[in-house]
Amino acid sequence: GAGVSQSPSNKVTEKGKDVELRCDPISGHTALYWYRQSLGQGLEFLIYFQGNSAPDKSGLPSDRFSAERTGGSVSTLTIQRTQQEDSAVYLCASSPPANEQYFGPGTRLTVT
Amino acid sequence: GQQVMQIPQYQHVQEGEDFTTYCNSSTTLSNIQWYKQRPGGHPVFLIQLVKSGEVKKQKRLTFQFGEAKKNSSLHITATQTTDVGTYFCVSSHQAGTALIFGKGTTLSVSS
Repeated sequence: GAGVSQSPSNKVTEKGKDVELRCDPISGHTALYWYRQSLGQGLEFLIYFQGNSAPDKSGLPSDRFSAERTGGSVSTLTIQRTQQEDSAVYLCASSPPANEQYFGPGTRLTVT
Repeated sequence: GQQVMQIPQYQHVQEGEDFTTYCNSSTTLSNIQWYKQRPGGHPVFLIQLVKSGEVKKQKRLTFQFGEAKKNSSLHITATQTTDVGTYFCVSSHQAGTALIFGKGTTLSVSS
């Protein structure tokens, strides 16, 4: 069956521009996570959606970052006024509640 | 959010040697999951431990959850070059809350 998909796979943007990253989770998975991974580093938790509950936004690094999940399915991570330090691979994962996470291939964001 | 501490950060072994990575928390964990990320890839689920003192094996990999549910370990017997990658432990402190990744242990294996 289809796994988690993310788009675009690569994004190059100029400093100061806004970007939107998309995640299509596995159908029926109620939990959705966004992470950020810089080169050679671990996964930095950004935000967590679980069903209809209020999202856990405790990992968002600044108010330039926001995410939404429409209809409990597709999620969009938006970064406003991008900075060079935002360059990283952004990973999305979905899971049934309290279960293993299935990761998408990630979006590699480069801010020039 | 709170983070589990994982050690060591890096480990290099000769093929055939054993390898262990440890995951520690100051508070009780609801459960713990282990993931492996190959270079250039994304994390892939290995196993989940839920019960105090639980031990699970997958071929050469042995996973253990501490009696107090505050620590966990992954042990690889007789490493192979295919074991190369970063191993992450992941947990939540309360069921239903966000799972938090440790920083991972990066394993390199030379033949």
